[in-house]
Amino acid sequence: RKEVEQDPGPFNVPEGATVAFNCTYSNSASQSFFWYRQDCRKEPKLLMSVYSSGNEDGRFTAQLNRASQYISLLIRDSKLSDSATYLCVVRQNTGGFKTIFGAGTRLFVKA
Amino acid sequence: GAVVSQHPSWVICKSGTSVKIECRSLDFQATTMFWYRQFPKQSLMLMATSNEGSKATYEQGVEKDKFLINHASLTLSTLTVTSAHPEDSSFYICSAPDVAPRDTQYFGPGTRLTVL
Repeated sequence: RKEVEQDPGPFNVPEGATVAFNCTYSNSASQSFFWYRQDCRKEPKLLMSVYSSGNEDGRFTAQLNRASQYISLLIRDSKLSDSATYLCVVRQNTGGFKTIFGAGTRLFVKA
Repeated sequence: GAVVSQHPSWVICKSGTSVKIECRSLDFQATTMFWYRQFPKQSLMLMATSNEGSKATYEQGVEKDKFLINHASLTLSTLTVTSAHPEDSSFYICSAPDVAPRDTQYFGPGTRLTVL
């Protein structure tokens, strides 16, 4: 089983749609959680951290459920520019920090 | 925010040659840098952790004699792919953690290596 699992997609949605991505992680000792965005042939860029209380940044809302070891990202009012791959990222401290990346979920937003 | 640069951004080389990739933290010091490799449609896979002033720590399955890492200063880490083969063709990305905000990793723009 992969340490961080995501639905690879692709998700094809029209502009203005709401889309949700899910991610599960296997190590209950994981401490920090993030969503990164990666455009084609580019490096990943931090989209937002994920906190237990849930957090929102504009059109983006992230949720963490530690009991279920589950993370989600909700994008409202999708824009064409949201088209990218969204990476679920988990950081563990097991005798040293280790960052685990999910394989990513591809999103295509169409006009 | 913090900036990490990589050089070159892309390289094409013949099989059997060695390729050096540089990773620099431009406006902060990084005692630790991470080297990742990403194949098409796959996740980033950590290859090794580069430590300034000491030996790199390699992940399981990564050949340390093939992927030479040197962390010469607090702002520079290099990855040398020795005797490159076509299966080494990939997107290599470095990153460095910053002190603040906590846990943030800053990524370089990546180096696309194609071995013919």
